Amino acid sequence: GNSVTQMEGPVTLSEEAFLTINCTYTATGYPSLFWYVQYPGEGLQLLLKATKADDKGSNKGFEATYRKETTSFHLEKGSVQVSDSAVYFCALSDLTGGFKTIFGAGTRLFVKA
Amino acid sequence: NAGVTQTPKFQVLKTGQSMTLQCAQDMNHNSMYWYRQDPGMGLRLIYYSASEGTTDKGEVPNGYNVSRLNKREFSLRLESAAPSQTSVYFCASSERRGDEQFFGPGTRLTVL
Repeated sequence: GNSVTQMEGPVTLSEEAFLTINCTYTATGYPSLFWYVQYPGEGLQLLLKATKADDKGSNKGFEATYRKETTSFHLEKGSVQVSDSAVYFCALSDLTGGFKTIFGAGTRLFVKA
Repeated sequence: NAGVTQTPKFQVLKTGQSMTLQCAQDMNHNSMYWYRQDPGMGLRLIYYSASEGTTDKGEVPNGYNVSRLNKREFSLRLESAAPSQTSVYFCASSERRGDEQFFGPGTRLTVL
């Protein structure tokens, strides 16, 4: 079945550091891929998405490229801020899975001033 | 435009008590979902509703019931609460299943 694997956290960075959070997936079809962010005490919100191979999703300085050859959708940001401290979830939905959305376990990011 | 709203925000129950978590969305979405979030377990789908009048079990439905009252509202009921149901519960909605989901702020439930 479909699955999402993302790097375990927590990830601790200093302000202005480069961020990468790895995400790989398994799917039998051609899934849509998402990154969601959850700030403390809140629900998840969509950060970015990509619906086909080689698409790049971007928002608020974050980027992720849909790589079908490596089945990956790694999240990157060139310079993190304290306000980026949150939990990040990679997710997919796929026709062959009945469009069920599969979430990764989440990666907690701490950014120090 | 409030998006997805949930009530209550916090609740403490004793084992065996019942309660209903309310959820409403104002985006005219067809699909609605209930998840629970536990430390180290990520998000787990309890029930979902693809459209008004339909509901289906998710990954962890035992101990829960749902009602899709109309297109806007999707409630989750615990008939006889157990300590294992202590969790944070999120309601979400999307235009169609598989689309971007919009989440409510969550209900933090403690069962003693």
